[in-house]
Order: sequence, then structure tokens, then C-alpha cells
Amino acid sequence: QKEVEQDPGPLSVPEGAIVSLNCTYSNSAFQYFMWYRQYSRKGPELLMYTYSSGNKEDGRFTAQVDKSSKYISLFIRDSQPSDSATYLCAMPGTGNQFYFGTGTSLTVIP
Amino acid sequence: DGGITQSPKYLFRKEGQNVTLSCEQNLNHDAMYWYRQDPGQGLRLIYYSQIVNDFQKGDIAEGYSVSREKKESFPLTVTSAQKNPTAFYLCASSISAQANIQYFGAGTRLSVL
Repeated sequence: QKEVEQDPGPLSVPEGAIVSLNCTYSNSAFQYFMWYRQYSRKGPELLMYTYSSGNKEDGRFTAQVDKSSKYISLFIRDSQPSDSATYLCAMPGTGNQFYFGTGTSLTVIP
Repeated sequence: DGGITQSPKYLFRKEGQNVTLSCEQNLNHDAMYWYRQDPGQGLRLIYYSQIVNDFQKGDIAEGYSVSREKKESFPLTVTSAQKNPTAFYLCASSISAQANIQYFGAGTRLSVL
């Protein structure tokens, strides 16, 4: 079983839609959860960073963590064509190990 | 501007050739990482370095080598022993090896001629 699982998509939505991106993980010791956004042929950029369970909101983006289900989500409200990218979830493990999801490709259609 | 600079953006390797990818950071971070990204496979760790003059193998180190002679620099050499080098290579850094956030460069796309 992989440490982190992420549906690769692709996901295609109309402009203005609410987008839900999800990851599951297997290690209950994970405490920190990150979402990166990666545009085509670019490096990942940190989008959201959360600790433990609960919600964190930043503009149109909300990160949600449910540790009891080992499930994290990223919601994008009022999606824009500029949100078209691949979204990666990530969790630091012990030592130097970081666990990344494979990424979900999102296209927002104008 | 603080950040991580990777060069070149595109690189082509001939059969039997070694090539070196550059990674420079001005964030004063102690830890640096190299990842390989292939479609559908996510990021795989090649090498990492916690401090200057120290580095460890990651999950897929075979066919690669690194050095860490300066805090700011962590070059990756793709040797001729790496038989399938075509991929997108990403360099990352974090303030320390125990830090919970990694920051990435823009990447280098390596192709084989």
C-alpha cells in the first residue's frame, strides 16, 4: 500500500465551479499536510499548509484534514482558468522522507 | 528575490554521456533535495543533503551522483549508467532536514538524443 494515494484525474470543470481534490494516506503519524500547485513544465509551488485536523482557508482555497479517516481535501471555490494545473498533496514523514501524491490534473474551462 | 534556481531549463544527453544539472538556492536553507518526476509516478527522491559535505541516497540513486561543497549549491550528475534518464528533474530545499515544508525550483527537463 502506498503511503499517499491521489486520484490522477484528469478533472475538467466549467469556470466558476467548486472543485474538490482529495488524498488518502496510510500513516496515522502524519501531522503536517501540504498542497502544491504545479503548472505545466514548472516546479511545484506551495499552495496550502495545514497542521493536524481541521480546516484552513486562504481566499478561494480551503484545505481540510480528517485524521480519523486519513483523508485530506483541497476545495477551490469560483474556479478560474488560471487554476488549471496539477495539484499535489504532500506529507512529511520521519527523518528526511517526504511523501507526495501522484498529482491530480485539473482543467477549468472558460 | 529569494529562491531556487535550476539550470538549464532543457538538456539533451547523448548516449554514454554524463550531464550535470545545476541547482542554486539563496534561501540560506541547510537541506537540499533532488527528485525525478515521471508522468503518473509522482516525485521520486534521488539524493538529499542535510548539510554541506554530506549527502545520502534516496529511493532511486543508481546512475546519479551529487556533491554539496557549498551550502547554496547541490548539482546533480546523470551518469551514463542511468539507462532511462528522460524525465523532469526537480531540486528542492528546506530550512533544515527536520523542516516540514520543501520549496522547489522550476525544474530541468532532460531528454536523450
